[in-house]
Amino acid sequence: EVQLVESGGGLVQPGRSLRLSCAASGFSFDDYAIHWVRQVPGKGLEWVSGISWNSGSIGYADSVKGRFTISRDNAMNSLYLQMNSLRAEDTALYYCAKDFQPRRKYDYGVFDIWGQGTMVTVSS
Amino acid sequence: DIQMTQSPSSLPASVGDRVTITCRASQDISYYLAWYQQKPGKVPKLLIYAASTLQSGVPSRFSGSGSGTDFTLTISSLQPEDVATYYCQKYNSAPPTFGGGTKVEIK
Repeated sequence: EVQLVESGGGLVQPGRSLRLSCAASGFSFDDYAIHWVRQVPGKGLEWVSGISWNSGSIGYADSVKGRFTISRDNAMNSLYLQMNSLRAEDTALYYCAKDFQPRRKYDYGVFDIWGQGTMVTVSS
Repeated sequence: DIQMTQSPSSLPASVGDRVTITCRASQDISYYLAWYQQKPGKVPKLLIYAASTLQSGVPSRFSGSGSGTDFTLTISSLQPEDVATYYCQKYNSAPPTFGGGTKVEIK
């Protein structure tokens, strides 16, 4: 079964850091771009960041650029999101999502498999 | 950045109705448009990509059309299990961008 499982969310104070992880199984992880998409409960979807299959192309939403860093470890079938200088407006459910076709750049993300999400709450 | 605008934001309809959701891009995105369904409390599900190609396993009552800046998602005969919020998303270039969503409810 193709699966993505996020972890690492929690309650954190403004200005602090958090690292999210996404463990993949059931597919050739190193063939696919993977993304982070977030959703404030009850609100819409916002793409956060994406990384191509070989880490050759990486992108960020303007809202997180300079504060968040995406990375992947293909040997461990894992994706990460290092989140620094967190703000209240970063509070959301963070999903990792797989691209629907292999060997594509992150720019053209279409998301066919989603994890269940990990909740990040930024509050003092 | 290209903006994606969906209408309506809320759509009450009866079982069996034909339902149409519109998505408009602020610039030409060719056919690089996907549609997702998110049922209450669930993760989003890819329905359609390339504006009109149905993802495997999606019921044939769902269809998509359009190109350039104007796109539609149609449910030919609304079923109770179709109650959800539907999002369009453009992917012609970075950043991938979602529309604001359309909540489909049963009247």
